[in-house]
Amino acid sequence: EPEVTQTPSHQVTQMGQEVILRCVPISNHLYFYWYRQILGQKVEFLVSFYNNEISEKSEIFDDQFSVERPDGSNFTLKIRSTKLEDSAMYFCASTKDRGHLLINTDTQYFGPGTRLTVL
Amino acid sequence: GENVEQHPSTLSVQEGDSAVIKCTYSDSASNYFPWYKQELGKGPQLIIDIRSNVGEKKDQRIAVTLNKTAKHFSLHITETQPEDSAVYFCAASTSGTYKYIFGTGTRLKVLA
Repeated sequence: EPEVTQTPSHQVTQMGQEVILRCVPISNHLYFYWYRQILGQKVEFLVSFYNNEISEKSEIFDDQFSVERPDGSNFTLKIRSTKLEDSAMYFCASTKDRGHLLINTDTQYFGPGTRLTVL
Repeated sequence: GENVEQHPSTLSVQEGDSAVIKCTYSDSASNYFPWYKQELGKGPQLIIDIRSNVGEKKDQRIAVTLNKTAKHFSLHITETQPEDSAVYFCAASTSGTYKYIFGTGTRLKVLA
């Protein structure tokens, strides 16, 4: 069964450094997402991406964050200058389609996550 | 803003008993409610979902109920087994947006 994969599984970085988290969505999927989960807290939406554009982003997704689909398979999240509070589990997800206009019908499939630790 | 509350945060049941996890959402426009199971070291996996045009959905030992008036939905697992032990997340989504709003998760332990 196709899966979303993410690398690395764990990333440790110094505060102020740039990190790039990588995801390979399911191959025929068109919509891509990043979520994060700070330890002990909710899974929070960061951004969605479709047709090489951001389609929606949350207030968390500020200028320090960017996303890119550099080729036909990878989807990346870059944090330009990491802060201590960026330490979290980052999940990538994908869907094949958006479904019907009036009701979401397509499930988001999640990867195993990357644990980011900022020291 | 949009919010999803989930209870309980931890739940221990004896093998064979039922488990119920409850979620409440704030956005009355929410119309899709997936439930995810997360095992250690893995990403969330969809186990069941429900759309706002139905009140209940069942898949073998798992069922979900939705009360739109009260804005809450529940996951029911019957005849629990040790392999049901995991963290369960509810989520809500609204057409016209791309994001899921997640609950805080419930750690379910099924005791053999």
